[in-house]
Amino acid sequence: AQSVTQPDIHITVSEGASLELRCNYSYGATPYLFWYVQSPGQGPQLLLKYFSGDTLVQGIKGFEAEFKRSQSSFNLRKPSVHWSDAAEYFCAVSSGAGSYQLTFGKGTKLSVIP
Amino acid sequence: NAGVTQTPKFRVLKTGQSMTLLCAQDMNHEYMYWYRQDPGMGLRLIHYSVGEGTTAKGEVPDGYNVSRLKKQNFLLGLESAAPSQTSVYFCASSYPRVNYNEQFFGPGTRLTVL
Repeated sequence: AQSVTQPDIHITVSEGASLELRCNYSYGATPYLFWYVQSPGQGPQLLLKYFSGDTLVQGIKGFEAEFKRSQSSFNLRKPSVHWSDAAEYFCAVSSGAGSYQLTFGKGTKLSVIP
Repeated sequence: NAGVTQTPKFRVLKTGQSMTLLCAQDMNHEYMYWYRQDPGMGLRLIHYSVGEGTTAKGEVPDGYNVSRLKKQNFLLGLESAAPSQTSVYFCASSYPRVNYNEQFFGPGTRLTVL
């Protein structure tokens, strides 16, 4: 069975600082990986996704993530955080084409200090 | 395109009352899902559907029923609401054969059961 771990429940950073949110997955074959962002009162929105190819993927709002198979990780990064990035972030893994299942981590809440 | 829409946005029920949440998508997606989100628990799958007329149980199906009579609609029913069903409910849709189960979410319904 696939699973996702986000070790950090809550992270606080200063505006302008760099950010890295951790995600570790467990899946036997090639995973398909996603990061979603959820602002208060809204549904999750896709930030970026990895299916194959280049292990560094770019997303919306200046975010990027790097797939490291050897570490079973898919960490999310941003060089300079803006106050509007304050939200909850979810990492998710799918077993591939045709699969119904998208397994989510429990989320990391990001707070930004002005 | 409206994407995924959910009706209603808010609802308050008394214990034992029934209600139906409506989800609609205009992306011609095959798969549709109902999740509930509780603090610290992430997104948990209640029921899902891989096509018109078919439904299946997810991780937390007890106390809920679903129906998918039309491809674009997915209904979630609570026959006898309980306080434990107080939560935020999200509907999602996907087209796994193309997008490896990238899911598109609605804005959510906040349900309170007194």
